[in-house]
Amino acid sequence: EAGVTQSPRYAVLQEGQAVSFWCDPISGHDTLYWYQQPRDQGPQLLVYFRDEAVIDNSQLPSDRFSAVRPKGTNSTLKIQSAKQGDTATYLCASSRQGAKGNTLYFGEGSRLIVV
Amino acid sequence: GQQVQQSPASLVLQEGENAELQCNFSSTATRLQWFYQHPGGRLVSLFYNPSGTKHTGRLTSTTVTNERRSSLHISSSQTTDSGTYFCAIDLQGTGSKLSFGKGAKLTVSP
Repeated sequence: EAGVTQSPRYAVLQEGQAVSFWCDPISGHDTLYWYQQPRDQGPQLLVYFRDEAVIDNSQLPSDRFSAVRPKGTNSTLKIQSAKQGDTATYLCASSRQGAKGNTLYFGEGSRLIVV
Repeated sequence: GQQVQQSPASLVLQEGENAELQCNFSSTATRLQWFYQHPGGRLVSLFYNPSGTKHTGRLTSTTVTNERRSSLHISSSQTTDSGTYFCAIDLQGTGSKLSFGKGAKLTVSP
């Protein structure tokens, strides 16, 4: 079974530039999550989807961040007009609703540096 | 405030020593989970342990829900155990909205 795949693995931007991160979850997983993990911190949930619907985006900075999952499979997280404070690793995870403990499976992350 | 607090923040061991990591949380409805993050890499779920004690290999997790605490014990540590260990609680009781601690960085020297 293929794991959660993310790309790109690394991105370096100037402030004000835009970037998109892509995530391919585990096949059959209906729930997809995007987390932001600053250096030496724990992951912080930005948004999560069940199928194509956004369930919770309350922690997503809506003025510059957007996330979509149009067909309920792959997902894209976009940051417009990046700021230095966005420097972090962006983690995608997926799970299957109803699975015991709702185990999350994480990708390797996309590391963003904004200079 | 921080809903999940972990201690110690970092720990250095010699191979073969045991490690005890602590997690204290602010809610009794936790669905507590422990994760391991490879250095610079992927987060992997270790335990889903809302209460009681669970074992896998050299790892033991004990959660005492009414005392709002959990521990992760690593016996006979190996260099491959090096990395960061996170505990997380479920804020909504749905299993989907996890709040993570800041992590405990473990370094095991040969």
